[in-house]
Amino acid sequence: GAVVSQHPSRVICKSGTSVKIECRSLDFQATTMFWYRQFPKQSLMLMATSNEGSKATYEQGVEKDKFLINHASLTLSTLTVTSAHPEDSSFYICSASGQPLAKNIQYFGAGTRLSVL
Amino acid sequence: DQQVKQNSPSLSVQEGRISILNCDYTNSMFDYFLWYKKYPAEGPTFLISISSIKDKNEDGRFTVFLNKSAKHLSLHIVPSQPGDSAVYFCAASWTSGTYKYIFGTGTRLKVLA
Repeated sequence: GAVVSQHPSRVICKSGTSVKIECRSLDFQATTMFWYRQFPKQSLMLMATSNEGSKATYEQGVEKDKFLINHASLTLSTLTVTSAHPEDSSFYICSASGQPLAKNIQYFGAGTRLSVL
Repeated sequence: DQQVKQNSPSLSVQEGRISILNCDYTNSMFDYFLWYKKYPAEGPTFLISISSIKDKNEDGRFTVFLNKSAKHLSLHIVPSQPGDSAVYFCAASWTSGTYKYIFGTGTRLKVLA
């Protein structure tokens, strides 16, 4: 149980295009979803937290107009990187927590490697 | 400011021996701590956690120790197995609000057969 699916696993795009990453909870209701970014040899840095049906809460320094997060249902959240540039190239990973699971345990997707040319 | 630190980027241990992974934190408001294991091309998977009201939590071969006065936690794996080879992340959290995590940078454990 507690499976989180993230797609795509890898995406390469041209500078200036937008990229959408999907995060789905397959066997539980994800009341809260989290989006992280990881640079090489660094920790997973929380970008934003979203609750189903509400606007996402962004961490300090994260541009909300750049990284659009939608959590419209209890099983799906999306992260859209708008007008992507090479500096947005990174590893993005989502996690989810919810019912009927323990509130303080997050379950992670496998991540998306974004390369912007 | 790195609130959660794993100072050892890598660790090699012989199969059957004990693996000890360490984690230090700076924020005394953290009240819940977790360890995650990550294999290549997979997301982190939850391993074990501990509340700040405890100093030890055990689950099979895995034990987490918490020393609040030193702001230090450690993960012990006994006995270590080759399948334990992975990157281990510690995370600190608050049991209020959104339960968001602050992660350490990870320690790559290699268990030698």
